[in-house]
Amino acid sequence: EVQLLESGGGLVQPGGSLRLSCAASGLTFSNFVMYWVRQSPGKGLEWVSAISESGDRTAYTDSVKGRFTISRDNSKNMQYLQMNSLRADDTAVYYCATIGVRSGRSDYWGQGILVTVSS
Amino acid sequence: AIQMTQSPSSLSASVGDRVTITCRASQGIRNDLGWYQQKPGKAPKLLISAASSLQSGVPSRFSGSGSGTDFTLTISSLQPEDFATYYCLQDHTDLTFGGGTTVEI
Repeated sequence: EVQLLESGGGLVQPGGSLRLSCAASGLTFSNFVMYWVRQSPGKGLEWVSAISESGDRTAYTDSVKGRFTISRDNSKNMQYLQMNSLRADDTAVYYCATIGVRSGRSDYWGQGILVTVSS
Repeated sequence: AIQMTQSPSSLSASVGDRVTITCRASQGIRNDLGWYQQKPGKAPKLLISAASSLQSGVPSRFSGSGSGTDFTLTISSLQPEDFATYYCLQDHTDLTFGGGTTVEI
């Protein structure tokens, strides 16, 4: 069974930093592009960042460019999201995911982790 | 960035109704589109991949169609468990979600 388990969320003050982790099991992690998707309270889903299978390519939505950094460690089946200069509008549930929109296979999501940015 | 315009944002329907949700892409995305169902407090669940392929285990009352810029999710006969929010997602270039459609029974 595939499991994606996020950790590292919590309450942080505006301007602060937080590092999210995602532990993957039950899949050949190094074969998958990995994503972070977030959902602000009562709002829709928003793609945040993506990282290629080997980690050599990354992409970000415009609102987090220069503040967030995605990374992965294939030897540990882990991906990370380093979030700096956090703002109130970064408050959201953050999901770790693989996306199977094209293939119909391998669409897996974690349970989500809440990040609250507030003073 | 590719924009996805989803409509309606919400709808009220009765059990047995036929429901249609649409998504329009700001540029052609072939069939690189999926439809997700999300229930409160849960992660999204993929219903339809590649615009029209029903995922294993998803009831056949769900169907998807379209290619290029215009896509449709249809629920042929709404059931009580279909109360949820539905999102389209393009992965032609990066990812973009539609704004969501809340289906109220």
